[in-house]
Amino acid sequence: EAQVTQNPRYLITVTGKKLTVTCSQNMNHEYMSWYRQDPGLGLRQIYYSMNVEVTDKGDVPEGYKVSRKEKRNFPLILESPSPNQTSLYFCASRTLQGKLAKNIQYFGAGTRLSVL
Amino acid sequence: GQQLNQSPQSMFIQEGEDVSMNCTSSSIFNTWLWYKQDPGEGPVLLIALYKAGELTSNGRLTAQFGITRKDSFLNISASIPSDVGIYFCAGYREFGGKLIFGQGTELSVKP
Repeated sequence: EAQVTQNPRYLITVTGKKLTVTCSQNMNHEYMSWYRQDPGLGLRQIYYSMNVEVTDKGDVPEGYKVSRKEKRNFPLILESPSPNQTSLYFCASRTLQGKLAKNIQYFGAGTRLSVL
Repeated sequence: GQQLNQSPQSMFIQEGEDVSMNCTSSSIFNTWLWYKQDPGEGPVLLIALYKAGELTSNGRLTAQFGITRKDSFLNISASIPSDVGIYFCAGYREFGGKLIFGQGTELSVKP
């Protein structure tokens, strides 16, 4: 089954304590992305990656890091979390091969993060 | 970043009623996607549209790619309680480009 898997689903942490949210996809997709979702602000892109070792900033990258050492994995790293990073986070992936039907982006189930 | 204009922001309807929502943009899009997000879950694709004027159905859901390529519509017929959730439109302005989202329509269905 085609899947984007995020872990953990829920996380409560304290300010300044480094954390990593993992994301893995089993569809051999080139493109992976992280979003945060906040009430009234919709889905905002944090970082994205077009392929292994290729990452780029989205709309709200401050306070986040990513890496893409393997095609299937795209972890999101918060080096020093702050309360304004409390949010619902989604990982997503899609292929960059071909057109039309290949434009479909698949989402993980989400990680709800609370930073105290 | 750019977002699509999605309306309405929320809807409260009675079970059995039909629902309509739409997304508009000042730019031309070449793909429109409609997603549903259940509470506590990630967005799941409902319908994908690739050609201006295209009308596609998925069960009780019907979506259309506007002729101008600047809008899209989603209709849900005979709503049921499990239709509750947030519906997002999303689109690409070019192949391989950034997926741009609407802000979502929150649907509540009263039994």
